[in-house]
Amino acid sequence: GAVVSQHPSWVICKSGTSVKIECRSLDFQATTMFWYRQFPKQSLMLMATSNEGSKATYEQGVEKDKFLINHASLTLSTLTVTSAHPEDSSFYICSARSSGSSYEQYFGPGTRLTVT
Amino acid sequence: EDQVTQSPEALRLQEGESSSLNCSYTVSGLRGLFWYRQDPGKGPEFLFTLYSAGEEKEKERLKATLTKKESFLHITAPKPEDSATYLCAVQKYNYGQNFVFGPGTRLSVLP
Repeated sequence: GAVVSQHPSWVICKSGTSVKIECRSLDFQATTMFWYRQFPKQSLMLMATSNEGSKATYEQGVEKDKFLINHASLTLSTLTVTSAHPEDSSFYICSARSSGSSYEQYFGPGTRLTVT
Repeated sequence: EDQVTQSPEALRLQEGESSSLNCSYTVSGLRGLFWYRQDPGKGPEFLFTLYSAGEEKEKERLKATLTKKESFLHITAPKPEDSATYLCAVQKYNYGQNFVFGPGTRLSVLP
């Protein structure tokens, strides 16, 4: 149980284009989903928290207009990187917390984004 | 300032050589401490949650313990497949549901 998927697992795009990454909780309902960014050999950096049906809460320094997050249902959240630039190249990971009382976050497998 | 540190940064063990990883935290109002395992190019895999000092959790060769200032992840008789980066994260009261992650310990178990 507690499986989270991400799609795509890797994507290459040209500078200036937009890319959408999907995060799905497959066997539970996720009231809250989180988006992280991870640079090589570094730990996870929280970008934003999203609750189903609400606007996402972004961490300080994360551009809301660049990283659009939509938590459309209890099983799906999307991250759209708009007008991507090479410095946006990174490993993006989502996590989900179930609607139960526990606080664990279950992570997706990650999406490797390369902007050329 | 809230901080989560992990030591050592990297650890090499021979197969069967037991050891411990440390996660130290200075946060006020700890709600929970979480251990994850991350393989290269993959998302973190949940291992344990600890909520109060004195609590212990076990899973196969891993055992996690918690005190008021730190947590240990004990690895007994490790195997090469235990090689991974081990991350700890803390969740505070009055900080929503957000985690603060430590930098991780890269564990290599040599056959």
